[in-house]
Amino acid sequence: AQTVTQSQPEMSVQEAETVTLSCTYDTSENNYYLFWYKQPPSRQMILVIRQEAYKQQNATENRFSVNFQKAAKSFSLKISDSQLGDTAMYFCAFMYFWDAGNMLTFGGGTRLMVKP
Amino acid sequence: SQTIHQWPATLVQPVGSPLSLECTVEGTSNPNLYWYRQAAGRGLQLLFYSVGIGQISSEVPQNLSASRPQDRQFILSSKKLLLSDSGFYLCAWLGTSGYNEQFFGPGTRLTVL
Repeated sequence: AQTVTQSQPEMSVQEAETVTLSCTYDTSENNYYLFWYKQPPSRQMILVIRQEAYKQQNATENRFSVNFQKAAKSFSLKISDSQLGDTAMYFCAFMYFWDAGNMLTFGGGTRLMVKP
Repeated sequence: SQTIHQWPATLVQPVGSPLSLECTVEGTSNPNLYWYRQAAGRGLQLLFYSVGIGQISSEVPQNLSASRPQDRQFILSSKKLLLSDSGFYLCAWLGTSGYNEQFFGPGTRLTVL
């Protein structure tokens, strides 16, 4: 079974600075998807960004970008120009490409605090 | 547009009482549906998923059960709650854009006393 590890339980960053959240995963599969979800204090899970493993180009969504290193099984999230609204729990998640149920496996999360 | 609802938002129940949490999706048909549980300060654990009416797959053996009586309705139940059932329960549906993204409801906070 696949596992997803987020080694940073908590992080903080000053407003307008850049922060990188780490995620590693373990799988023997070659085709899969990776996601980052954000959970603010409201606890609503919000999709931030996704990456297909067969794509070499790193995904970007406005201030959010990923560094996908397939050989190293690493999928980090970079948040540029951090804003107070970025304060949240961030979860990395994995999905097999051929999974009929399209199930997600989540990491334990990183709590990010953006300081004014 | 698609929306997902969960009811109730919060619930406090005594140990040994029954449970019924409801999830409904609007704006799509026959979606894959999921139930997750999140313990305090922890990640999400998949409990059940469903690919269609009456089709339920369980990922974690426990005293919880799930049912899908209608296309866009997913229910999480228990006959007798345990203290360890406390947590935040999230329902999600699989988007149909082909990107395999799951979209989550607002969640139900369950406290078992």
